[in-house]
Amino acid sequence: KNEVEQSPQNLTAQEGEFITINCSYSVGISALHWLQQHPGGGIVSLFMLSSGKKKHGRLIATINIQEKHSSLHITASHPRDSAVYICAAVSNSGYALNFGKGTSLLVT
Amino acid sequence: DTAVSQTPKYLVTQMGNDKSIKCEQNLGHDTMYWYKQDSKKFLKIMFSYNNKELIINETVPNRFSPKSPDKAHLNLHINSLELGDSAVYFCASSQGGLAGLYEQYFGPGTRLTVT
Repeated sequence: KNEVEQSPQNLTAQEGEFITINCSYSVGISALHWLQQHPGGGIVSLFMLSSGKKKHGRLIATINIQEKHSSLHITASHPRDSAVYICAAVSNSGYALNFGKGTSLLVT
Repeated sequence: DTAVSQTPKYLVTQMGNDKSIKCEQNLGHDTMYWYKQDSKKFLKIMFSYNNKELIINETVPNRFSPKSPDKAHLNLHINSLELGDSAVYFCASSQGGLAGLYEQYFGPGTRLTVT
């Protein structure tokens, strides 16, 4: 089973700060998802990536498949970014998804 | 126009009862999923259906039975409910048959409380 670790578990930031959330996994994967869960409970897919970097607005996701590590960056953070961010590692078969425990972000 | 909808939003029931949660997607996607999020907010995939065919069945008790009458619907039926079944259940959908390789669209969740 692929162990997926996220850090930090909790993060508080001031509005405008640059934020980084990390995700590491124990075995080789084919891709990785980043999800955002709003305080109301809804889940939104942010990125699915298998190499390099993707950018959407103020969000940037990077992955290094060989080093088994991915990061999610938020530039110019805003209180509306407050949410739980979850990474999910995709097995090489493409079928299995293993989730991290999430990073709870509060921007004040 | 909701992409992935679930009913009910809240479900409170007693141990031993049988209940169903319904899910519908209007995105034309081929694959639908059920996820369970426990009290510690940990998400875990339960089932995946592609074109009405079961693709993934994680280690879920056989009291849980997914039913897909057509590509747009994936319902979750739970028999003999137990306290440990209390959780939020999310339905999701995506194009394609491989759970991990396509963006997933999530429903709003159903909070199940078993007393």
